[in-house]
Amino acid sequence: AAGVIQSPRHLIKEKRETATLKCYPIPRHDTVYWYQQGPGQDPQFLISFYEKMQSDKGSIPDRFSAQQFSDYHSELNMSSLELGDSALYFCASSPLGRGGETQYFGPGTRLLVL
Amino acid sequence: AQKVTQAQTEISVVEKEDVTLDCVYETRDTTYYLFWYKQPPSGELVFLIRRNSFDEQNEISGRYSWNFQKSTSSFNFTITASQVVDSAVYFCALRLIQGAQKLVFGQGTRLTINP
Repeated sequence: AAGVIQSPRHLIKEKRETATLKCYPIPRHDTVYWYQQGPGQDPQFLISFYEKMQSDKGSIPDRFSAQQFSDYHSELNMSSLELGDSALYFCASSPLGRGGETQYFGPGTRLLVL
Repeated sequence: AQKVTQAQTEISVVEKEDVTLDCVYETRDTTYYLFWYKQPPSGELVFLIRRNSFDEQNEISGRYSWNFQKSTSSFNFTITASQVVDSAVYFCALRLIQGAQKLVFGQGTRLTINP
C-alpha cells in the first residue's frame, strides 16, 4: 500500500539558511500534519491542514511556515535556521472525510543545522 | 490540556520474555482516541493500534495485546514471547475526537530485547 512520502530524507544546512521540506500524503488523504522530534524526545505537533486550510496550530516558530496545495501535498518552509532546529521532521496524513481517526506517518526528514 | 505519561524510560529483557509497557493519560474530554506507535532504530513511526474512549474491549493481535482501563486512565501494551525485532521506542499517544486533532505523545519507552 502507498505510504506518506517525504523529501528530502536528509538535509544539512548552515545557520541562518532556509529549508523546504515536502510531504506527499497517502492517496485520498486530505489532512496533513507536521511534527518535530528532537533527539531523544517525543514528537511535537507543529501544524495541520485540511483541504488546503490550516486546521490546527501547535508550537511552530514564527520562522516556520507551511501550506497545503491543491494536490494535497504540503511544504514546510523554515527560515533563519538555528542549531536547535536540528531534528527529525515527520509528516502524517489521515482521511478526515472518513473520520480521520488514525494518522499515518512518513519516514521523516532528518535536518541537521551546522 | 491533554497529557500522556510513560513512566518507563527504558526496559531491557531477554528474548522470549513477556514485557508490558505502561501508559497513563489525562484529559477532561470524555471522547478521545488512544494510540500506540513503534519507532524502530531506522526512525520511522509505525502505527500499531487505535482505541476509542467508549470501547474498553481489550485487543490481541498475534504476540501483541492491549489493556484499556478508563477507571485508571491507562492503556498498557504487552508483548508476549518478545523477539529481538521488537526492539524499538514505543510511544503512547492521545487525540481528542472533537476539537484539536493533534496527537499528544508520551515520552516513549525504549525497549531492548537481548538475544
